[in-house]
Amino acid sequence: NAGVTQTPKFQVLKTGQSMTLQCAQDMNHNSMYWYRQDPGMGLRLIYYSASEGTTDKGEVPNGYNVSRLNKREFSLRLESAAPSQTSVYFCASSEARGITYEQFFGPGTRLTVL
Amino acid sequence: AQKITQTQPGMFVQEKEAVTLDCTYDTSDPSYGLFWYKQPSSGEMIFLIYQGSYDQQNATEGRYSLNFQKARKSANLVISASQLGDSAMYFCAMSIQFTGNQFYFGTGTSLTVIP
Repeated sequence: NAGVTQTPKFQVLKTGQSMTLQCAQDMNHNSMYWYRQDPGMGLRLIYYSASEGTTDKGEVPNGYNVSRLNKREFSLRLESAAPSQTSVYFCASSEARGITYEQFFGPGTRLTVL
Repeated sequence: AQKITQTQPGMFVQEKEAVTLDCTYDTSDPSYGLFWYKQPSSGEMIFLIYQGSYDQQNATEGRYSLNFQKARKSANLVISASQLGDSAMYFCAMSIQFTGNQFYFGTGTSLTVIP
């Protein structure tokens, strides 16, 4: 099992360009998430998908869109990149552990917007 | 609102010594889980340990133990016999049973192990 995979690993964009970050999981998890990680801020939730066909906003959704393409894939799109979106982006999926859910993370995408 | 607080931005520990990383949480829900993740300089998030809110005993996983004090709403991570490879960022996180499986993360603690 590959777990959670993300592409690309690194990306440099110019302000105003668009791009899509891809995420896939092979663990048959229902829920998937996109986070961004900035220095000193921990991980902040951008969007999540509790199940195939549903998506919801997280803490910092502005400037992003998502698509839950199927149960395996959850993509994050930046329509018009801004320098403030320079960050490391993590995709995650979740599985039951005890009374709640554990999250499994992808390796991350390091995005720089010039 | 749910919240996780890690008050130690950076910690140092001598190799082979034990270290405690602090985490406090705030929730009014009775059913929740507490997690610790390690993030080495390579960037990946590595699961370390889990504690459920109804678990009577503190969780342990090898050299990691979670000191769960429910009344104080604290979930401190204890690493025994520190190793150089333990140098990393450590994140405390909380999952609430009835909030769509969302995770709430603290801002992290950077641990440096000194030889």
